[in-house]
Amino acid sequence: GAGVSQSPRYKVTKRGQDVALRCDPISGHVSLYWYRQALGQGPEFLTYFNYEAQQDKSGLPNDRFSAERPEGSISTLTIQRTEQRDSAMYRCASSDGLAGQGYEQYFGPGTRLTVT
Amino acid sequence: DQQVKQNSPSLSVQEGRISILNCDYTNSMFDYFLWYKKYPAEGPTFLISISSIKDKNEDGRFTVFLNKSAKHLSLHIVPSQPGDSAVYFCAASGGSQGNLIFGKGTKLSVKP
Repeated sequence: GAGVSQSPRYKVTKRGQDVALRCDPISGHVSLYWYRQALGQGPEFLTYFNYEAQQDKSGLPNDRFSAERPEGSISTLTIQRTEQRDSAMYRCASSDGLAGQGYEQYFGPGTRLTVT
Repeated sequence: DQQVKQNSPSLSVQEGRISILNCDYTNSMFDYFLWYKKYPAEGPTFLISISSIKDKNEDGRFTVFLNKSAKHLSLHIVPSQPGDSAVYFCAASGGSQGNLIFGKGTKLSVKP
């Protein structure tokens, strides 16, 4: 079966532009997560959804970042007015349930965002 | 303030020997601990997990040990193989928390 897919795999954008990153989770997975990973660091939580409901967005760095999952499947992470400090690997993961209840998360390959 | 710490950025081991990767945590509310393995240009892949009610979980060559009193866990790989060379991330979560909290990772190199 297909794993988590993300598109685009690489995105180069100019400072000030908006970008939209897409995540297609494993079919049937209830929970979907967005993480950001800097070089030499582990994934850092941004936000997560159960079905279409955004349950926690405490990790979003500021109000330029937003995410949606309108039909409880595909999700889009949008960064408005990008800045150079937004450059990172953005990772999506999905699972059958909450990490705190023992469900492992399955990660996609990530989108490498470079803001010039 | 990091809640999950992997203090060794790298580890080199000879093929056939044991690899021991360590992880410390600060949050006593964590209930589940996981190890992920990551090859270059790929996303992290789940390897093994342990619940806080256990002190050991074994899956083939991989064993995770949990010492709750010390807030420490370790991943043992025996015997190590060159294909095990990757970055290993320790992660933790607990209660109603949805997300995982990751350490910075340890890069394991297994030399033939």
